[in-house]
Amino acid sequence: AAGVIQSPRHLIKEKRETATLKCYPIPRHDTVYWYQQGPGQDPQFLISFYEKMQSDKGSIPDRFSAQQFSDYHSELNMSSLELGDSALYFCASSLGRGAKGSYEQYFGPGTRLTVT
Amino acid sequence: KNQVEQSPQSLIILEGKNCTLQCNYTVSPFSNLRWYKQDTGRGPVSLTIMTFSENTKSNGRYTATLDADTKQSSLHITASQLSDSASYICVVSVNYGQNFVFGPGTRLSVLP
Repeated sequence: AAGVIQSPRHLIKEKRETATLKCYPIPRHDTVYWYQQGPGQDPQFLISFYEKMQSDKGSIPDRFSAQQFSDYHSELNMSSLELGDSALYFCASSLGRGAKGSYEQYFGPGTRLTVT
Repeated sequence: KNQVEQSPQSLIILEGKNCTLQCNYTVSPFSNLRWYKQDTGRGPVSLTIMTFSENTKSNGRYTATLDADTKQSSLHITASQLSDSASYICVVSVNYGQNFVFGPGTRLSVLP
């Protein structure tokens, strides 16, 4: 079965550069979530989109922005990169939000971003 | 403050043995609780999802329990296998939305 696809899988950038991470949800899934997981840390929820609209916002820095496109894929844009942005960035998708939020989330393999 | 705690922090067991992982949460308003398995450098894989009205759910050798009164959950793994070695993360969803509070995880190592 098709899974969540993320690209690139690995990315190396220098400080103050920009980066764009892409996420392709499972076909027919309409909700996308972004998480950031620093080395040895818990995943932190960044932002989510439902039907191409931002639906919830977590601890996403102002230097980051994201959007969901008409084909439901999503992009996370990161500017003025800092060393502390080095992390594993996960994207997850789900079909709808369900009653009381009890929907199944499927995670992608992640993009490992290294800022030097 | 919304918070999820897990214990133990790490656990080592022999292949074939059973184990139980604990999760305590202080989250309001509670929406649902999930257990994820995460291999190093990989995305988390959902094991179970439980809403307020559910107190047990099984997925193969994994059985999760939820006590909404005491705000505690457990994940029981039976007949452990080497492939069970991973981090197990308890995640609580807040406010009927998509905001999640992640626990720190329990690192399980299954030895032959």
